Amino acid sequence: DQQVKQNSPSLSVQEGRISILNCDYTNSMFDYFLWYKKYPAEGPTFLISISSIKDKNEDGRFTVFLNKSAKHLSLHIVPSQPGDSAVYFCAASGRNNDMRFGAGTRLTVKP
Amino acid sequence: NAGVMQNPRHLVRRRGQEARLRCSPMKGHSHVYWYRQLPEEGLKFMVYLQKENIIDESGMPKERFSAEFPKEGPSILRIQQVVRGDSAAYFCASSPLPPGELFFGEGSRLTVL
Repeated sequence: DQQVKQNSPSLSVQEGRISILNCDYTNSMFDYFLWYKKYPAEGPTFLISISSIKDKNEDGRFTVFLNKSAKHLSLHIVPSQPGDSAVYFCAASGRNNDMRFGAGTRLTVKP
Repeated sequence: NAGVMQNPRHLVRRRGQEARLRCSPMKGHSHVYWYRQLPEEGLKFMVYLQKENIIDESGMPKERFSAEFPKEGPSILRIQQVVRGDSAAYFCASSPLPPGELFFGEGSRLTVL
């Protein structure tokens, strides 16, 4: 039962351009959403989060947008840098506090 | 403050043996999560535990898999009678008080021969 979906397994962008990673969820009980970044052979690291009472949260080059009616969130990275190349996971949590992850999107930023 | 510690980092087992993976959460964290990542796949939720309690084990296979988080000591993910399909990276994460970010360990990579 895939409650969190990342339909794009990979994304390639040019350095300096915007990267947009998308995520959809099916469970309307989710009220807290996060993005994680993962390098090979390492554990995921937290990037940015947003609660369901907001529709946007910004932290430096990273902005997360939440569209509750569409059950969709996105992560914008601008400008993209080669060091941003990694796998990005979308995650969602509900009242029972368990956290579900998407399948990930591999971002490649080309110099 | 040490991060989430997982050991062993790499574990090789033959089919039918038992695998035990340990996770020490960050200091002060009483919530532990286990995830499995198969090659080229995402993080699949397995189990969520608080001290001495299993809160949600809906992602864990009913047979051969078990998890615990005792009052003292690390959380343990135990896989009995391993099969080749159990080969994966197993990640543990901890949290002080949900909801909030999870802090992940570096993972334990299980290889079943």
